[in-house]
Amino acid sequence: EIVLTQSPGTLSLSPGERATLSCRASQSVSSSYLAWYQQKPGQAPRLLIYGASSRATGIPDRFSGSGSGTDFTLTISRLEPEDFAVYYCQQYGSSLMYTFGQGTKLEIK
Amino acid sequence: EVQLVQSGAEVKKPGESLKISCKGSGYSFTSYWIGWVRQMPGKGLEWMGIIYPGDSDTRYSPSFQGQVTISADKSISTAYLQWSSLKASDTAMYYCARRDQWLVDYWGQGTLVTVSS
Repeated sequence: EIVLTQSPGTLSLSPGERATLSCRASQSVSSSYLAWYQQKPGQAPRLLIYGASSRATGIPDRFSGSGSGTDFTLTISRLEPEDFAVYYCQQYGSSLMYTFGQGTKLEIK
Repeated sequence: EVQLVQSGAEVKKPGESLKISCKGSGYSFTSYWIGWVRQMPGKGLEWMGIIYPGDSDTRYSPSFQGQVTISADKSISTAYLQWSSLKASDTAMYYCARRDQWLVDYWGQGTLVTVSS
């Protein structure tokens, strides 16, 4: 089973700053099967990025994804107040099973 | 508009049974897999298993095999997650989510299950 490790665990930044979140896989992952989700308190996760770099419908272009192999990155170019949340990476493995990273909490500094 | 609407919060005692639901609308319910995800208090997301309502083909994550049962009633566009004997450690938020090709795109609002004596 592939393990996804996200870093940092918590990221403290101010609105307007750039955020860089990392997701590292224990073995190579197809970029096609790597996604990022945002979860705000009391809400369900929301799909942000799929295929490592494609934005989901309605996602602002300040969100971008990149990476391949075992290292993937979610970048938020200029933080808005509504971006402070927990972010999860996810990969599709096999047999219709999925793995999530443990999450990165993005908090206001 | 695609929607997954889950049943309301539950408070149960250890040993009791429970079945929670997830009703799909706005798309062909029988043509997409529905998965279940657990989120324990203050923790991350865990994939539990998935069902294809068209033929009830079901797969479980090894961690949840034998612990829960996933089912669906395609006549009412509803998927279910059930327990035969709850434990305190089953206390969590449970989400259903739709799978489109490989992508998990739409999520239900979640059902909070609290198990306490």
